Amino acid sequence: IAGITQAPTSQILAAGRRMTLRCTQDMRHNAMYWYRQDLGLGLRLIHYSNTAGTTGKGEVPDGYSVSRANTDDFPLTLASAVPSQTSVYFCASSGLAGSDTQYFGPGTRLTVL
Amino acid sequence: GQNIDQPTEMTATEGAIVQINCTYQTSGFNGLFWYQQHAGEAPTFLSYNVLDGLEEKGRFSSFLSRSKGYSYLLLKELQMKDSASYLCAVRENDYKLSFGAGTTVTVRA
Repeated sequence: IAGITQAPTSQILAAGRRMTLRCTQDMRHNAMYWYRQDLGLGLRLIHYSNTAGTTGKGEVPDGYSVSRANTDDFPLTLASAVPSQTSVYFCASSGLAGSDTQYFGPGTRLTVL
Repeated sequence: GQNIDQPTEMTATEGAIVQINCTYQTSGFNGLFWYQQHAGEAPTFLSYNVLDGLEEKGRFSSFLSRSKGYSYLLLKELQMKDSASYLCAVRENDYKLSFGAGTTVTVRA
């Protein structure tokens, strides 16, 4: 593994289903982030984690939850998916919370029907 | 809160120069980033400005004026591969990034 990986690459999901998007980084970065990207709106922060064991809410956290059990992994869970959560989801990481450049994973394209 | 504005689209000819402007009104300021994003791909880091002035990196340069809440990204000697979206992002006092909606640049032969 080199950098940040995300899984799955794409997913079609029925409304009401639970879904976990996976993100793993091998750069030993302390901070990790989840964004969603929608046409015309740009990237919006969902949740973030400054270090393992801590998480915080971003601009659009409703309907999403995260956990940070270790440095490398930062999964994003949709407890009960709704069509408005159809989007492209990007995971990112940075060496130190706020002081380093953020590097992005390849993204997950999620469609909720 | 934050308000970050950049043009939606720009078109230029191969070999030309294009300047993408970004204006921002944020509750704090701790640096401005430019990212490039090709269609269907992840954003990739281009440049970072925290002090006023011009930062040059090959064919790309980025300028910042903190007093005016203004930045621009200058792309010189445009190539077809420069066709992409360019994202302006501001890091505020809480160290999170706020992104503009992005500028789609189309380079024509």
